[in-house]
Amino acid sequence: DAGVIQSPRHEVTEMGQEVTLRCKPISGHNSLFWYRQTMMRGLELLIYFNNNVPIDDSGMPEDRFSAKMPNASFSTLKIQPSEPRDSAVYFCASSLQGLAKNIQYFGAGTRLSVL
Amino acid sequence: DQQVKQNSPSLSVQEGRISILNCDYTNSMFDYFLWYKKYPAEGPTFLISISSIKDKNEDGRFTVFLNKSAKHLSLHIVPSQPGDSAVYFCFLGGSNYKLTFGKGTLLTVNP
Repeated sequence: DAGVIQSPRHEVTEMGQEVTLRCKPISGHNSLFWYRQTMMRGLELLIYFNNNVPIDDSGMPEDRFSAKMPNASFSTLKIQPSEPRDSAVYFCASSLQGLAKNIQYFGAGTRLSVL
Repeated sequence: DQQVKQNSPSLSVQEGRISILNCDYTNSMFDYFLWYKKYPAEGPTFLISISSIKDKNEDGRFTVFLNKSAKHLSLHIVPSQPGDSAVYFCFLGGSNYKLTFGKGTLLTVNP
């Protein structure tokens, strides 16, 4: 298996633009997580899906952020409009189940720079 | 209020010596504990885990210790190798999916 695939690897955009990050989880995994990593705040869990349904989005910073999982093999994280403070590395991870004991497999991340 | 703390942002160790990474937590409801390792430009990868019914789990050079009374988790790497240089995160979970994690410790193993 190719693992969790994220695209793009790098994204540079201007403030106010819409940004869409994409994630393909490992086949057969039914839980998907979006994380953000910054120097200031470290790693943050943004949202968690189980069987394509958002279970907890309490980590989503504000309404400018939205995430969807239209099917078991694809998820998007959208920022509209983007702001410089959104600059970070965004990781997607998947696991067999969403339980804490289950290993999460992370993608390589998308480095977002908002100018 | 940070429930999980990795108090050492960085640690430098000589090759062949022991590396000890620490993680302290406040919530006694955590019952599953995992360590992840992260290299630059890559996502975190799972390293080793332990459940609350154990106090030690060993996998090759890596051993995780859990002291529930002190709410303290540690990862020992013996012997340390330059390839172990990475950021190490502790992930803690309860009976549901909810995970809490530390800010990470940067380990540098010098040849």
